[in-house]
Amino acid sequence: NAGVTQTPKFRILKIGQSMTLQCTQDMNHNYMYWYRQDPGMGLKLIYYSVGAGITDKGEVPNGYNVSRSTTEDFPLRLELAAPSQTSVYFCASNPGQGVSPLHFGNGTRLTVT
Amino acid sequence: RKEVEQDPGPFNVPEGATVAFNCTYSNSASQSFFWYRQDCRKEPKLLMSVYSSGNEDGRFTAQLNRASQYISLLIRDSKLSDSATYLCVVNRGSYIPTFGRGTSLIVHP
Repeated sequence: NAGVTQTPKFRILKIGQSMTLQCTQDMNHNYMYWYRQDPGMGLKLIYYSVGAGITDKGEVPNGYNVSRSTTEDFPLRLELAAPSQTSVYFCASNPGQGVSPLHFGNGTRLTVT
Repeated sequence: RKEVEQDPGPFNVPEGATVAFNCTYSNSASQSFFWYRQDCRKEPKLLMSVYSSGNEDGRFTAQLNRASQYISLLIRDSKLSDSATYLCVVNRGSYIPTFGRGTSLIVHP
């Protein structure tokens, strides 16, 4: 059981480039989330999804887009990368029922120069 | 006021010490509470859920005070391996977890 899988683990982008961070989970969880974590700071919610076909903005959505065409996959798209998007990105999932914790992927470390 | 607040520390304690962290939350409708542990540059991992009656897992004790809107984490007999950042997480009713910025713990010999 792989849990939550993120790819790539590391990426360096030039300003203005675009990329997609991949996230997939095999636990049939309804809820999926994208967080970013800047050095010395907590996790900030970028986007979340409560099920296939449904997405919503979190605290810091600007500069990002998401889609949720299947229960398993929740890719995060960066268009026109900026240095302010240098961060560690974590994808997480949750069954969305009761008192259930988050399951995290290993993270993607992104540097925009 | 931030939705979830933690003292960032660092808390610097000797091995064997008892240390406690608090986390305050602003939304009285918050429904579920967790402590996560995060090692440097790694993903957060669930340490324990926090139940209304308080709960214990080995050397770790978590408590919830709904009246004062805070949760606490107590670590007894600290080990070097307890050095990490401890994240407080609060769920609003719609399963949108909100993270505190974390409290750094350094346990030294």
